Amino acid sequence: NAGVTQTPKFRVLKTGQSMTLLCAQDMNHEYMYWYRQDPGMGLRLIHYSVGEGTTAKGEVPDGYNVSRLKKQNFLLGLESAAPSQTSVYFCASSYGGRNTEAFFGQGTRLTVV
Amino acid sequence: DAKTTQPPSMDCAEGRAANLPCNHSTISGNEYVYWYRQIHSQGPQYIIHGLKNNETNEMASLIITEDRKSSTLILPHATLRDTAVYYCIARGNTGFQKLVFGTGTRLLVSP
Repeated sequence: NAGVTQTPKFRVLKTGQSMTLLCAQDMNHEYMYWYRQDPGMGLRLIHYSVGEGTTAKGEVPDGYNVSRLKKQNFLLGLESAAPSQTSVYFCASSYGGRNTEAFFGQGTRLTVV
Repeated sequence: DAKTTQPPSMDCAEGRAANLPCNHSTISGNEYVYWYRQIHSQGPQYIIHGLKNNETNEMASLIITEDRKSSTLILPHATLRDTAVYYCIARGNTGFQKLVFGTGTRLLVSP
């Protein structure tokens, strides 16, 4: 039982390049989330999904797209990376959206130069 | 979601109890108090949550005041591995309720 697994763990991109971050969970959770964390700040919600085939915007969705084609996977895409997207990205999942704990992955450290 | 206020940092001696306070004076009746922690740069880890009764699990205890305007997370015997940033979050229980993280309390446990 691996929990929540993020791929890759580290990445350096050039401005304008694109990439996809993969999040996989093996707990059969309905809800999945993508957060970003900048130095000295708390986590901010980018996008979330309440089930397979559904996605919704969080607090800071601009510049990102997501897809949830399979229940266990939640993909975060950067179409044209910008230095402002340099951050640590965390994926999380939970059984429900309320009164349940969320499980987090170990993070992806992304640097855009 | 109600705003929570936590001290930016606290120190604790190893083996002693760590008491981390949180103010949530605008919390509504259906909002739970959640605690997470983040060790170094790892993903946040769930600790405990409660509505109005005190809660205890293998990691910690949560004491919520009767008026629910504040709470305290207690680590009964802090170890060096408890050094982390601790987040107190007020979260509703109707519909979809996202976790809103503030800047938390940085707890340093020293030998």
